[in-house]
Formats: sequence, structure tokens, C-alpha cells
Amino acid sequence: AQTVTQSQPEMSVQEAETVTLSCTYDTSESDYYLFWYKQPPSRQMILVIRQEAYKQQNATENRFSVNFQKAAKSFSLKISDSQLGDAAMYFCAYRRSAGGTSYGKLTFGQGTILTVHP
Amino acid sequence: EAQVTQNPRYLITVTGKKLTVTCSQNMNHEYMSWYRQDPGLGLRQIYYSMNVEVTDKGDVPEGYKVSRKEKRNFPLILESPSPNQTSLYFCASSLGPGTGVGNQPQHFGDGTRLSIL
Repeated sequence: AQTVTQSQPEMSVQEAETVTLSCTYDTSESDYYLFWYKQPPSRQMILVIRQEAYKQQNATENRFSVNFQKAAKSFSLKISDSQLGDAAMYFCAYRRSAGGTSYGKLTFGQGTILTVHP
Repeated sequence: EAQVTQNPRYLITVTGKKLTVTCSQNMNHEYMSWYRQDPGLGLRQIYYSMNVEVTDKGDVPEGYKVSRKEKRNFPLILESPSPNQTSLYFCASSLGPGTGVGNQPQHFGDGTRLSIL
């Protein structure tokens, strides 16, 4: 079974600075997808960024980028120029590629609470 | 507007009183799923459905039931709720397999906070 581990229960950053959230995962499969979700106090689950395992290039979305290390099974999220609105719980998640049993199932990490200081 | 709608958003009830949390999506998605979120555990899948009349257990199905009689609806049923089912629940949907869009993200509802006393 796949597992996802976020070893940082809490992180903090100063506004305008850069912070990196860590995520490691365990799988025996070669094709899969990785996601970072943001959960603000409103409880919504908001997709931040996604990465296909077959792509070597790291995904970026504006101020958000990932460092995907497939051999090390690591998938960290870097937030540049942090803003007060970035404060939230962040979840790393794994999903098998399309097809087969357990299609679509997201396996989540424990979450990291990010605090942004003005 | 594309959305997944859950009701109710909050519910406080007592042990043993049957309850249903409804979930509806307007995106014609084949795949729907229920998760529960608990502190320190992240979100865990309860049940999922690949299409109408096709459902299967996730990682934590004990004490829950689901049905998928229509494509848009996927209710979560707690026949005899117990305090250990106090949690934050999310419904999610996405396109199904074979559509060539395996990397499409799941759309989440806004969550239902259940408290079982």
C-alpha cells in the first residue's frame, strides 16, 4: 500500500520570504501523480500544484514550485514571496495512474500547518 | 458553476441516530469518493464509486454505507453513528478512468463537520 509522510506538523515563514514544505512517499509503482492541496480555515480543499511521475521537469504554478525527486520518493513544495493568504494547512497527496483498482483514490499525508508572519 | 455540494455543513447528533450526508456534483463525473479528515491522520478514503451502481470500500469503511443510484449523487449513510465517527467529511468527484485525463484533480465539496455525542 502507498503511504505519504509529511514530517513537519508546523512551519512558519515571514511575509515575502520563501518556505519549503516536505513530503515523502512510498510506492512500488512507476506511474502515478502527486498533488499539493491547501486547506485554509474555511476548510475548502484547494489544489495548489500537481506533478506527473513520468515528467522529469518540476511543476510550477506562479509562486509555487515543487522539487520532485523520483528516486528518493520526495516531493517538496516551495512557496516563494510568501503572502498572508498562504497561511493554511497543506496536504501532500498521491494517486495511482488511471486504470486498475483503487482508481482515483488519493492517499494523503498528515498535513503541515503553515503560519505566515507579517 | 462546477461544484460539489455537501449537506449539511454542520451536524451535532447522538449515538445510534441514523444520519445521511448528501453529496451532489454537476460536472457529470463518473468517479465519486468520500473521505474523513482527522487531526494527525490527514484525509482517509471511506468509500468510492466508479459509476452508477458501482461502489467499493476505501481504507476506513467500517460503520458507513453509500449508494450510487444516480450519477450526480453519492450519499454517505451512518446507520448507527458512534462517537469515533466524529470527524470532518469530504465528498470529491472527478472524471473516470479511460478518459485520458488521469491527472485531472478531484473536486472537493466544502466539508461536513459531524459531532456524535
